[in-house]
Amino acid sequence: KQEVTQIPAALSVPEGENLVLNCSFTDSAIYNLQWFRQDPGKGLTSLLLIQSSQREQTSGRLNASLDKSSGRSTLYIAASQPGDSATYLCAAYGQNFVFGPGTRLSVLP
Amino acid sequence: DGGITQSPKYLFRKEGQNVTLSCEQNLNHDAMYWYRQDPGQGLRLIYYSQIVNDFQKGDIAEGYSVSREKKESFPLTVTSAQKNPTAFYLCASSISSSGNTIYFGEGSWLTVV
Repeated sequence: KQEVTQIPAALSVPEGENLVLNCSFTDSAIYNLQWFRQDPGKGLTSLLLIQSSQREQTSGRLNASLDKSSGRSTLYIAASQPGDSATYLCAAYGQNFVFGPGTRLSVLP
Repeated sequence: DGGITQSPKYLFRKEGQNVTLSCEQNLNHDAMYWYRQDPGQGLRLIYYSQIVNDFQKGDIAEGYSVSREKKESFPLTVTSAQKNPTAFYLCASSISSSGNTIYFGEGSWLTVV
């Protein structure tokens, strides 16, 4: 059964820093991996989707990479801003989406 | 605007009552999903539907029921058999169930009083 973990559980950084969020999954037989953002009390917003055949995807200041063989994905956020403060979740898609518990990010002004 | 609408945003349930959470989408998506989110945990799949008049149980279906009579609607009923229903419930949809980008509604908070 697929299990998805995320490290760290919480992260606090000063504005302007570059940062990396980590996502690990136990079953490498996935079709894609998605990263989401969730603001408090809200639904999830899709940020990036990486197909299993791809190594990375970029959108603005966000870059996500995927290494299926090692069961890892990272989300890189460049030049962080207070508006980036939210919880970031990853989800691995095999037969269904399996979500990690998320990393709660605080960017301090 | 296209999207997923969940209602109500907040709902209180008395012991022994059934309650129904509404989910409507105008994205013309075939697949729809219901997830439950508890503090500090990832989302857990309750039910999903790949097409009208068809649905499958997810990982935590006990105490819940759904219907899919229309493409745009996928209501979730939390029955009295669900012993710990207090949670944040999220409805989602995607073009198909083949791992496309998944879109979420704003969620519904259910509290047992």
